[in-house]
Amino acid sequence: EVQLVESGGGLVQPGGSLRLSCAASGFTFSSYDMNWVRQAPGKGLECISYISYSGSTIYYADSVKGRFTISRDNAKNSLYLQMNSLRAEDTAVYYCARGQTSVDPWGQGTLVTVSS
Amino acid sequence: QSALTQPPSASGSPGQSVTISCTGTSSDVGGYNYVSWYQQHPGKAPKLMIHEVSKRPSGVPDRFSGSKSGNTASLTVSGLQAEDEADYYCSSYAGSYKVFGTGTKVTVL
Repeated sequence: EVQLVESGGGLVQPGGSLRLSCAASGFTFSSYDMNWVRQAPGKGLECISYISYSGSTIYYADSVKGRFTISRDNAKNSLYLQMNSLRAEDTAVYYCARGQTSVDPWGQGTLVTVSS
Repeated sequence: QSALTQPPSASGSPGQSVTISCTGTSSDVGGYNYVSWYQQHPGKAPKLMIHEVSKRPSGVPDRFSGSKSGNTASLTVSGLQAEDEADYYCSSYAGSYKVFGTGTKVTVL
């Protein structure tokens, strides 16, 4: 069964840092592009970062550029998101999701709350 | 990186059809045949319902169909069922990134 499991969310103060992880199983992780998609409470979906299967191509939304870093370890079947200089507006459920032109499947999400 | 435009809400009675529009630009929806649609129930992760404009993944009922004309894509749900009540998001590949729609809440009356 194809599965993505996120971890690392939690409560963090403004200006703080957090590292999200996504463990992949059930498919050849090294062959697939991956994404981080977030959803603020009561709001829509936003693709904030993308990384190609090899890691050679990376994209960031303007809202997180310069503060967040996406990476992957194909040997460990894992995707990461390093989040620095966190702001209240970064509060959201963060989903790990597979795909380039469409996104499937999605993980269950991990909640990040930025608050003092 | 502007979100695609969807109507906030749509509704229909059981058995009826509902169509949701998704309007972008020539840089996203109009420029690629890579429009996808996602269904999201409250508290759950989104689920892929349509990819590449009109293709249904295995397991998605054929009541769900997609189309595109110019910069606007559409999702039609035919024969509405109670379990179809959910939020629906469109998305388009845009070269170096993916952009999502604003979301539409579908209510089954």
